[in-house]
Amino acid sequence: GEDVEQSLFLSVREGDSSVINCTYTDSSSTYLYWYKQEPGAGLQLLTYIFSNMDMKQDQRLTVLLNKKDKHLSLRIADTQTGDSAIYFCAESRGGNNRKLIWGLGTSLAVNP
Amino acid sequence: DGGITQSPKYLFRKEGQNVTLSCEQNLNHDAMYWYRQDPGQGLRLIYYSQIVNDFQKGDIAEGYSVSREKKESFPLTVTSAQKNPTAFYLCASSATGHEQYFGPGTRLTVT
Repeated sequence: GEDVEQSLFLSVREGDSSVINCTYTDSSSTYLYWYKQEPGAGLQLLTYIFSNMDMKQDQRLTVLLNKKDKHLSLRIADTQTGDSAIYFCAESRGGNNRKLIWGLGTSLAVNP
Repeated sequence: DGGITQSPKYLFRKEGQNVTLSCEQNLNHDAMYWYRQDPGQGLRLIYYSQIVNDFQKGDIAEGYSVSREKKESFPLTVTSAQKNPTAFYLCASSATGHEQYFGPGTRLTVT
């Protein structure tokens, strides 16, 4: 299977919170990232977390990291229609930070 | 206005022709990357370069070639040897080697 796994689809109502989950396999990963891709566009770096942290908050975004379970989540508070996009989780492995290992992406649909 | 540019946004070629995709950055980043994106397959690394005049193969380099003669530029050539060249191609750059910043992408269609 993939080294980084994400569920493929998530649908939420506008104003609700969205939680996008990701699991990874390499315990030596140093940084974990969340990127957003809108249709036909490149990827936008949303946030990242260093592996010795448990949580990082940035405005509406909260990243939680459970190193024991190798589980990463991205919570988007007060989800808006403009948040509809594909969200990618990625990890950088220790010893070779210049290559990222990518999940397949979670497609978030926000319904009015 | 700093950033990464890729041109053109859409590119059409006939089978058997080589085609070069442009990627330019004015962020003064040392590292640059080329990815291929197909539906349902996420991003796959084609080539990357950590410094001028040096580059390494990624996971799917067969049928592709690159050059890195200038820090700002990392063009990708899709050769006729690439069996399934139709895809969305993304270029990225990085200063530190961990945060990667992406261009808008080029959609290549080969018929």
